[in-house]
Amino acid sequence: EAQVTQNPRYLITVTGKKLTVTCSQNMNHEYMSWYRQDPGLGLRQIYYSMNVEVTDKGDVPEGYKVSRKEKRNFPLILESPSPNQTSLYFCASSLSPDPTEAFFGQGTRLTVV
Amino acid sequence: GENVEQHPSTLSVQEGDSAVIKCTYSDSASNYFPWYKQELGKRPQLIIDIRSNVGEKKDQRIAVTLNKTAKHFSLHITETQPEDSAVYFCAASSMDSNYQLIWGAGTKLIIKP
Repeated sequence: EAQVTQNPRYLITVTGKKLTVTCSQNMNHEYMSWYRQDPGLGLRQIYYSMNVEVTDKGDVPEGYKVSRKEKRNFPLILESPSPNQTSLYFCASSLSPDPTEAFFGQGTRLTVV
Repeated sequence: GENVEQHPSTLSVQEGDSAVIKCTYSDSASNYFPWYKQELGKRPQLIIDIRSNVGEKKDQRIAVTLNKTAKHFSLHITETQPEDSAVYFCAASSMDSNYQLIWGAGTKLIIKP
């Protein structure tokens, strides 16, 4: 089954404790991205990757890191989480940068206390 | 950069009536305009999209219209049903910005029985 898989689904952590949210897709998609979703603000892009070893900042990259060592994986790293990073996070992938349908993961609800 | 505004933020319609959600964008280079539906607790999923060389596109009860001159596009849902209740997001992207999707803030559609 074609899918984008994020883990974990839910995470509660403390300020400053490094964490990684994993994202994997099995559709051989080139383009992957991370979004955060906050009430009233819609989806805001954190980082995106147009292919392996090619990543770029989105609209709200501060406090986040990503890597794209393999085509299928695009982990999101919070080196020192803060309470303002409490949010619902989505990973998405699409076939190519030339926009086509974006397939989203199930979401990760992160709470930083 | 691109900015997408979406209205209304909440829309309540009687079952069987039509619903219209509108978005405006700022970047005249934008050429791809998707609409996503997000049911409560679920991931966003593409329901329809349109490219700038097309003025209207229909898929059963759903249609999207694009006015490039005015830089706005709209989602039309006819004969609304309870399963149409969800949050709907519009987005816009252009090659100039690496096809980065810029999202509206979302419209919560409520279908009253």
